[in-house]
Amino acid sequence: GESVGLHLPTLSVQEGDNSIINCAYSNSASDYFIWYKQESGKGPQFIIDIRSNMDKRQGQRVTVLLNKTVKHLSLQIAATQPGDSAVYFCAENKTGRRALTFGSGTRLQVQP
Amino acid sequence: DSGVTQTPKHLITATGQRVTLRCSPRSGDLSVYWYQQSLDQGLQFLIQYYNGEERAKGNILERFSAQQFPDLHSELNLSSLELGDSALYFCASSASGRVENEQFFGPGTRLTVL
Repeated sequence: GESVGLHLPTLSVQEGDNSIINCAYSNSASDYFIWYKQESGKGPQFIIDIRSNMDKRQGQRVTVLLNKTVKHLSLQIAATQPGDSAVYFCAENKTGRRALTFGSGTRLQVQP
Repeated sequence: DSGVTQTPKHLITATGQRVTLRCSPRSGDLSVYWYQQSLDQGLQFLIQYYNGEERAKGNILERFSAQQFPDLHSELNLSSLELGDSALYFCASSASGRVENEQFFGPGTRLTVL
């Protein structure tokens, strides 16, 4: 069946290091893959998306990589800061589907 | 601040009761989505309204219902509450009726059923 899942439930990194959050997907027909960030006590916040015909997209301090061969999505955060501590969700959007499908989330902990 | 407001922030009630959660979308947004989040689980889509009409339905129980009013605010009604309904309920909004990648989420309502 279709699923969007995350490899690691918790990722701990040192402040200033780069973080890599991974996500596996099984629905090759998705049109977009999306990353959301949810800070404690807040609602999810859109970070970045990537169209399925792209391999890489960069934003401010973030890069999303899409490897369609192995159906793998990653979010790279450069120079991780304490404010990056949050749960990160990957999601997919497929034309014709009625909603975004979210994965189960990875908690990023930034150690000072 | 996403511009989406939700009330109340916390709600504690007993099994068998009925509650109403309220959401006001961002100014200008016509779509409202409702999601349920349990513990650190992913977001489960419940239902979407666009400009007052139901647009899409997800894993929403028959005990749950929603509506969107002419002023575009939305309410999610949960009835015959069970312990398992305890969760965070988020609403999100977007401008159009199609499923947009960027949805603007409110701060959520934490529902506790005792």
